[in-house]
Amino acid sequence: EDQVTQSPEALRLQEGESSSLNCSYTVSGLRGLFWYRQDPGKGPEFLFTLYSAGEEKEKERLKATLTKKESFLHITAPKPEDSATYLCAVQARGAGGSYIPTFGRGTSLIVHP
Amino acid sequence: DSGVTQTPKHLITATGQRVTLRCSPRSGDLSVYWYQQSLDQGLQFLIQYYNGEERAKGNILERFSAQQFPDLHSELNLSSLELGDSALYFCASSVAGGTGELFFGEGSRLTVL
Repeated sequence: EDQVTQSPEALRLQEGESSSLNCSYTVSGLRGLFWYRQDPGKGPEFLFTLYSAGEEKEKERLKATLTKKESFLHITAPKPEDSATYLCAVQARGAGGSYIPTFGRGTSLIVHP
Repeated sequence: DSGVTQTPKHLITATGQRVTLRCSPRSGDLSVYWYQQSLDQGLQFLIQYYNGEERAKGNILERFSAQQFPDLHSELNLSSLELGDSALYFCASSVAGGTGELFFGEGSRLTVL
């Protein structure tokens, strides 16, 4: 069974204090690892897709990296508007040939001004 | 705005009742996914449809059913509701049924009293 574990569950940072969120996974035949951002009461918003170990993607203050067992979401000099829950999802071939993303429980990030 | 529309946004009902949640995918997307999100379970995959046909099933209860219509909108039917069914229900769409990011709606918040 595909497993996705995110850590920490919650993270409080001061504005400008860089940090990293972790997503470790156990899956056979990874066909993509996704990062989403979710604001309270809203649907998850797509950030990045990573497909192979060594791949990196950047967007503003966020940088996602991927190894064979885990992914990191690095947040550089965060601002209060970066406060949200960050979700990681892995996609692999499941029963019947379908590809269904399996989500972790997320890391709740609060950035204090 | 992801382009995915869900109605209703909020729904309050009593145990034993039946409700229908509706989802319109992004223009051009053929695949629709339904997820349930509760505080203690995170995002749980329920069911996927692709171009009108069921493609994959997750942890969907027998009291729940779904369908995708010829115009590609989808409905999730929840019956014999229990207190534990209270959750956020998200619909997401993607271009195809395979790999790729999902675009989520704003969700339907169901409260069962």
